[in-house]
Amino acid sequence: ELKVEQNPLFLSMQEGKNYTIYCNYSTTSDRLYWYRQDPGKSLESLFVLLSNGAVKQEGRLMASLDTKARLSTLHITAAVHDLSATYFCAVDLYGGSQGNLIFGKGTKLSVKP
Amino acid sequence: DTEVTQTPKHLVMGMTNKKSLKCEQHMGHRAMYWYKQKAKKPPELMFVYSYEKLSINESVPSRFSPECPNSSLLNLHLHALQPEDSALYLCASSQVSGNTIYFGEGSWLTVV
Repeated sequence: ELKVEQNPLFLSMQEGKNYTIYCNYSTTSDRLYWYRQDPGKSLESLFVLLSNGAVKQEGRLMASLDTKARLSTLHITAAVHDLSATYFCAVDLYGGSQGNLIFGKGTKLSVKP
Repeated sequence: DTEVTQTPKHLVMGMTNKKSLKCEQHMGHRAMYWYKQKAKKPPELMFVYSYEKLSINESVPSRFSPECPNSSLLNLHLHALQPEDSALYLCASSQVSGNTIYFGEGSWLTVV
């Protein structure tokens, strides 16, 4: 059974600080997804990481993938209030891209002034 | 246009009602999905359609009946639902074996 574990599940940060969210998964997969979800809203695609060593950056967010360690990280640099949301990582159950995404439980990020 | 449109946004239905959720995309995607998300939980896959054919059914009860009438539309027919089926139902689409899966805004379903 594929397991996707995120930690922490709750993260309260001060503006301007840095932090990292971790996503471990239990089976081989060559791609990993990061999504953002605001309260009462749908999922916004942030990153799709396609290979070992992949690193992608968008604004204050940077994601990386280590397929050998089965670990992805989402690093937040100099957090701002607008980043407050729940962040999910997800892995395709069948590897590849069948669309059967198994999501982590999500990390609820709260950025305070 | 990277939009997946879902209607209705909110639906309240009784346990004896029949209703449908609709999803539409015009990105030329040939894979479409239904996910269910309960409050404060991650989304869970229900169905996958690939080239308008059902390719994955994650052991969903028969009171949920998906339909893909063409490559742009995906429906979820609802009948005899239970209060525990109340959730956010998310439609998504992608290229078959594509990299990015795009989610719609979701339909909030309340079963009373």
